[in-house]
Amino acid sequence: AQTVTQSQPEMSVQEAETVTLSCTYDTSENNYYLFWYKQPPSRQMILVIRQEAYKQQNATENRFSVNFQKAAKSFSLKISDSQLGDTAMYFCASSPPLIQGAQKLVFGQGTRLTINP
Amino acid sequence: DAGVTQSPTHLIKTRGQQVTLRCSPKSGHDTVSWYQQALGQGPQFIFQYYEEEERQRGNFPDRFSGHQFPNYSSELNVNALLLGDSALYLCASSGGQGVGGYTFGSGTRLTVV
Repeated sequence: AQTVTQSQPEMSVQEAETVTLSCTYDTSENNYYLFWYKQPPSRQMILVIRQEAYKQQNATENRFSVNFQKAAKSFSLKISDSQLGDTAMYFCASSPPLIQGAQKLVFGQGTRLTINP
Repeated sequence: DAGVTQSPTHLIKTRGQQVTLRCSPKSGHDTVSWYQQALGQGPQFIFQYYEEEERQRGNFPDRFSGHQFPNYSSELNVNALLLGDSALYLCASSGGQGVGGYTFGSGTRLTVV
């Protein structure tokens, strides 16, 4: 069974600073997918970034990047030049490889990130 | 292009009652998954529907059941409600071989009193 652990319940930084959110996971699968989702007060889960485990290169999406350490089973999210709109709950999630359509997501407990003006 | 639509947005039920939550997937998506998110927790997978059949199920009792219709919309039914069923219920749709192509709705907040 897959498990995902986020050890930082809350984080707070000043606007424009860089912040890193931590995530570790455990899986017996050889190939899998990792995700970071953002959940603002509107409650909708929004995909921030995703990483395929078989790809060595770390994924990047504009100000968001990940540090994927497969051997250590670590998947941290770095937010550069943080903005007030980045304030939200952030969830790390994993998913086994796709067979037909999408598979289930296993989520961590979340990190509440606050960006202060 | 409409995203995932869930109804109702909020619901209050009494312990022992039954509830039905509804989800319309994003246009072009044929797979619907349901998640339960307790307050302050990450979402937990309930089950997934594809081609009108339950394809995967998480660790939830049989009180939780679902259905998918020919137009891909879905319902989540919970019988004999318990206080512990109070949570945000999220629907996520996906389609084809889209990796990480989950689109979530804004959820239904269920309160059991």
